[in-house]
Amino acid sequence: NAGVMQNPRHLVRRRGQEARLRCSPMKGHSHVYWYRQLPEEGLKFMVYLQKENIIDESGMPKERFSAEFPKEGPSILRIQQVVRGDSAAYFCASSPGTPGRTGNTIYFGEGSWLTVV
Amino acid sequence: KQEVTQIPAALSVPEGENLVLNCSFTDSAIYNLQWFRQDPGKGLTSLLLIQSSQREQTSGRLNASLDKSSGRSTLYIAASQPGDSATYLCAVSYPLNNDMRFGAGTRLTVKP
Repeated sequence: NAGVMQNPRHLVRRRGQEARLRCSPMKGHSHVYWYRQLPEEGLKFMVYLQKENIIDESGMPKERFSAEFPKEGPSILRIQQVVRGDSAAYFCASSPGTPGRTGNTIYFGEGSWLTVV
Repeated sequence: KQEVTQIPAALSVPEGENLVLNCSFTDSAIYNLQWFRQDPGKGLTSLLLIQSSQREQTSGRLNASLDKSSGRSTLYIAASQPGDSATYLCAVSYPLNNDMRFGAGTRLTVKP
């Protein structure tokens, strides 16, 4: 059973370009989470999705950022018109249910490192 | 406000030492607490999960304790090895939140 797969692992974008990060959850997992990790900081929650639904986007910046988890295919985190401050590691995680509930261990991907130049 | 703090930010010890990493959280009404390990350039690996009703969990040389009333957890690593060098993150889940709140981590270096 493959783990949470993220790609690309490393992405370089010029200011003003768009970045698309993809996440395929573990087989059988219908809950996907995106976190951002700035240098020397902990992970900050961005958005929680289930298939075709955004459940909680309270951690997502109001502008330029969007996320989706379509019925078919991976979850996508999209950042439009990137700025230098968007440079960070973006982690995707998945679980079979709400994280931490009994039996619902959360699994993290290896992350996508975005560098904006 | 639900904040998670980890002390120290960095720790360097000689191989073989026993050590303790600390995690504190401001809102004690947690659902559970997890300790993760993160290697440079890698994702997170869950080490131990403690439910709010539990006091501690053990896995091999690792022991995590939880004191909900004081808002603290410790991760005890026995007989440290160079392979334990990594960043250790503490994360807390709350009943009404959909996310986990992470501390900034403790960067551990175990010198041979």
